Amino acid sequence: EAGVTQFPSHSVIEKGQTVTLRCDPISGHDNLYWYRRVMGKEIKFLLHFVKESKQDESGMPNNRFLAERTGGTYSTLKVQPAELEDSGVYFCASSQTSNEQFFGPGTRLTVL
Amino acid sequence: KNEVEQSPQNLTAQEGEFITINCSYSVGISALHWLQQHPGGGIVSLFMLSSGKKKHGRLIATINIQEKHSSLHITASHPRDSAVYICAVTSGTYKYIFGTGTRLKVLA
Repeated sequence: EAGVTQFPSHSVIEKGQTVTLRCDPISGHDNLYWYRRVMGKEIKFLLHFVKESKQDESGMPNNRFLAERTGGTYSTLKVQPAELEDSGVYFCASSQTSNEQFFGPGTRLTVL
Repeated sequence: KNEVEQSPQNLTAQEGEFITINCSYSVGISALHWLQQHPGGGIVSLFMLSSGKKKHGRLIATINIQEKHSSLHITASHPRDSAVYICAVTSGTYKYIFGTGTRLKVLA
């Protein structure tokens, strides 16, 4: 069974540009989560999808971040326009129930 | 103050040593998770606990619900155990609340 995959693995962009991160969850997992770790800090929750619906987006930092999960399969997280403080590692996770989550390898975003 | 605190932040050990990493939390939880991240690697789940103790190979995880504390033990440590170990809890919702992680380096 394929695990959670994320694309790209690394992204380097300039301040003001747009970046879109993609997450493909484990097949059949209705729950999909986005998390972020900024330098030196703990990993923090961004949002949670159940199928295509946003269950909880309380961790989204501001309206420059837009997450979608059309069709309830893969998800995208767009940052527009990117700022320096958006740099970090973005993790996606999926789960079948409310219990154990399976994490992707992360996307390292660097905003210059 | 974070809802999940880990100690130590960094740990260097000699191969073969017994290692303990601690996690304290300040919220009511439905489960506590220990996770591992090797350098350049993804996050892997080691244990999910809601009570008592679990063992897998050389790894042992314990939790004391009354004291809001968990420990991860590694017996007979090996250089391949070098990684970041992360404690996380779920508390009423599905999202994980993470500690800052413990960076472990085991020297040969």
